[in-house]
Amino acid sequence: DSGVTQTPKHLITATGQRVTLRCSPRSGDLSVYWYQQSLDQGLQFLIQYYNGEERAKGNILERFSAQQFPDLHSELNLSSLELGDSALYFCASSVEQERTEAFFGQGTRLTVV
Amino acid sequence: GDSVTQMEGPVTLSEEAFLTINCTYTATGYPSLFWYVQYPGEGLQLLLKATKADDKGSNKGFEATYRKETTSFHLEKGSVQVSDSAVYFCALSGNNQGGKLIFGQGTELSVKP
Repeated sequence: DSGVTQTPKHLITATGQRVTLRCSPRSGDLSVYWYQQSLDQGLQFLIQYYNGEERAKGNILERFSAQQFPDLHSELNLSSLELGDSALYFCASSVEQERTEAFFGQGTRLTVV
Repeated sequence: GDSVTQMEGPVTLSEEAFLTINCTYTATGYPSLFWYVQYPGEGLQLLLKATKADDKGSNKGFEATYRKETTSFHLEKGSVQVSDSAVYFCALSGNNQGGKLIFGQGTELSVKP
């Protein structure tokens, strides 16, 4: 158990809909990262928050947004969903901001039908 | 930009065989290097890490040495078990990158009894 909790584990939704994925980081970790894992793109970094502030952005679509709350949990919002958004979405957390290992949750498998 | 390249899989070995999974990287400065493992249906688990040149990371019989001169971080295990069957990811966290991990494409390992 990594200590990172993601909910829900599975999500099936229709095209055009909006969903929210939730992540609780390990106790004491200030950094939260979101990654997308798909068969054709591999593991892609989406976005990072540190202590409530956005710190880095990767290949995140404009239809996607995230935030980190004062209790350090984070949410990833995906809107106007397309079939191609079907993937495994991972949250990870770490203590530091730089050059450090991150601990991953079990992921949320999103299926868009 | 920074990148990681892994040998393509799948790799199929018999139990007790020697394992090598090649990983090379491109990065400015001195990144930290990691190997993560993903078992079927699970999230990524940190297997080992190295933070500076010539460091050797080790865990559960797996080893990898940070080679600055060849920009490599190859994963090795002397005697694999069926339970080692998983997907292995090499990753780096670079300087001034905000802690995000850049992953290789992953190498699937299948160990047969």
